[in-house]
Amino acid sequence: AQSVTQLGSHVSVSEGALVLLRCNYSSSVPPYLFWYVQYPNQGLQLLLKYTSAATLVKGINGFEAEFKKSETSFHLTKPSAHMSDAAEYFCAVRTTGANSKLTFGKGITLSVRP
Amino acid sequence: KAGVTQTPRYLIKTRGQQVTLSCSPISGHRSVSWYQQTPGQGLQFLFEYFSETQRNKGNFPGRFSGRQFSNSRSEMNVSTLELGDSALYLCASSSSGTGVDYGYTFGSGTRLTVV
Repeated sequence: AQSVTQLGSHVSVSEGALVLLRCNYSSSVPPYLFWYVQYPNQGLQLLLKYTSAATLVKGINGFEAEFKKSETSFHLTKPSAHMSDAAEYFCAVRTTGANSKLTFGKGITLSVRP
Repeated sequence: KAGVTQTPRYLIKTRGQQVTLSCSPISGHRSVSWYQQTPGQGLQFLFEYFSETQRNKGNFPGRFSGRQFSNSRSEMNVSTLELGDSALYLCASSSSGTGVDYGYTFGSGTRLTVV
């Protein structure tokens, strides 16, 4: 079985500060990993994905994430937060099996202070 | 390139009624997944269809059902609605069914309120 843990439900940073959103996964087989962002009253938008190529993945809007197999982690970072980054962020995992499913973490709400 | 289209955008139903939600995937995508999002339970997987076949199903009661048509459009149906079915229902499409290529593209969702 696969699962995702996103510790904490809310992170608050100052504008211009580093953003770090943590994600740990559990999977018995090599996973595909994703980060999605959701703005109020909207669907989910893909930020980036790991599919067993480079372990450091760059996404949209200046976000990046590093796959660390030894730590079973896929933390999301952005060097400098912008007010427009305030949203809810979801980490998700899917295994390579054809009958696997995309499993989401509980999500983290990011607030950005002026 | 048109995105994933979900209709209707908002819906209000009465307990005991049934509802059908529609999802049109990105052209060429053969996989459609459905998710229920609530503040308490987060994003929960309902089912996934690939080329008209249900490939995976989540832990929801039989009142929740779905289907996919030959043009890849999908519908989900909820019968005998309960207050707890109030949620945002999201549809996602993928060309490969694994998200390896372009990831999963989500629609804006259908907000269902059961009164």
